[in-house]
Amino acid sequence: EVQLLESGGRLVQPGRSLRLSCAASGFTFSSSAMTWVRQAPEKGLEWVSAITANGDTTYYGDSVKGRFTISRDNSRSTLYLQMNSLRAEDTAVYYCAKAPYGGSYHVDYWGQGALVTVSS
Amino acid sequence: SYVLTQPLSESVAPGKTAKITCGGNNIGTKSVHWYQQKPGQAPVVVIYYDSGRPSGTPERFSGSNSGNTATLTISRVEAGDEADYYCQVWDSSSDHWVFGGGTKLTVL
Repeated sequence: EVQLLESGGRLVQPGRSLRLSCAASGFTFSSSAMTWVRQAPEKGLEWVSAITANGDTTYYGDSVKGRFTISRDNSRSTLYLQMNSLRAEDTAVYYCAKAPYGGSYHVDYWGQGALVTVSS
Repeated sequence: SYVLTQPLSESVAPGKTAKITCGGNNIGTKSVHWYQQKPGQAPVVVIYYDSGRPSGTPERFSGSNSGNTATLTISRVEAGDEADYYCQVWDSSSDHWVFGGGTKLTVL
């Protein structure tokens, strides 16, 4: 059974940093592209970032480029999102999600999400 | 950047057919994926690559994509289909995943 378990979400002050983790199990992590998608309260889905299966290529949404960094540790089957210079508008549930295979660009499984609240 | 446009809401009576559209410039040249999200839950893919159905998606769900519009069709709508639906594509010109704004489907 595929499982994606996000952790690290909490209340953080504007301008500070936070790192989210996503522990994956139930599939060959090193064969799947991974992505982060967020959802602000009462809003729609917003793509944040993606990373290829071997980690050599990363992609970022315009609203987070230069502030967020996606990475992965295939030996630990774990995905990360380092978030710097956080703003109030980054407040959202952050979903870790997997693509079916390395060259695919859609999600077949989602985690349950981690809530990040940016507020003073 | 590439934009996907969805109606904010659609309403349908039980047993009828719901059609949810997703508009984008030449979207017919891209692969469209659809997600269903119920309140308090993570999204679930219901259609991939325009019309493919994952194993857990009922046959009542179908998809099409042509020209500037992709469509998710739900036949014989049930109360349990009430949810938010999002379309998504990969925009190769910007290397961005793009989501539509979402459509809230209400079953009357």
